[in-house]
Amino acid sequence: EAGVAQSPRYKIIEKRQSVAFWCNPISGHATLYWYQQILGQGPKLLIQFQNNGVVDDSQLPKDRFSAERLKGVDSTLKIQPAKLEDSAVYLCASSPRGGGLVLGTGELFFGEGSRLTVL
Amino acid sequence: SQKIEQNSEALNIQEGKTATLTCNYTNYSPAYLQWYRQDPGRGPVFLLLIRENEKEKRKERLKVTFDTTLKQSLFHITASQPADSATYLCALGRGSGYSTLTFGKGTMLLVSP
Repeated sequence: EAGVAQSPRYKIIEKRQSVAFWCNPISGHATLYWYQQILGQGPKLLIQFQNNGVVDDSQLPKDRFSAERLKGVDSTLKIQPAKLEDSAVYLCASSPRGGGLVLGTGELFFGEGSRLTVL
Repeated sequence: SQKIEQNSEALNIQEGKTATLTCNYTNYSPAYLQWYRQDPGRGPVFLLLIRENEKEKRKERLKVTFDTTLKQSLFHITASQPADSATYLCALGRGSGYSTLTFGKGTMLLVSP
């Protein structure tokens, strides 16, 4: 079974530039998550989609971050304009349904992440 | 505010010993707790789930305990191996529906031969 695919793996930009990350979840997984992981920290949820609807975006800095999940499959996370403090790894994860314990263990399946450096 | 605490310092142990990692939380009432393993440059990988009404779960060399009174989970790796060296994250979740997971910072485990 193919895992969660993310691209690009690495990106270096100047502050105030824009960047976009792409995620393709595991086939059939209805729930998709974007997490931000700053060096030395745990992953912090930015946005959670259920199919193509947003379930939780309370921690998404909406003045500069946006995300969409068209057709309930792939997703794109955009940052515009980027700040120095946005340097982090952006992790995409998926789960079969609503996460939680609706099915099995509530396990999240993570991609390898996209490492962003803002100079 | 909600807080999840994991040992910020790396845990160094010798091969064959039991590693014990701690996850404490405050201002939170999780329905379940998960442990993930994260290797450098990789995404976290799920290891174990324990629900609020469970005291202990085991999987091969792994054991997790969950004490909702102490607001603490302990994660044990018995007969540790150098290949167990990684960062271990605990994550708390609420409810059985569309639950958001909140992660701790993780504890790095280093197992020396």
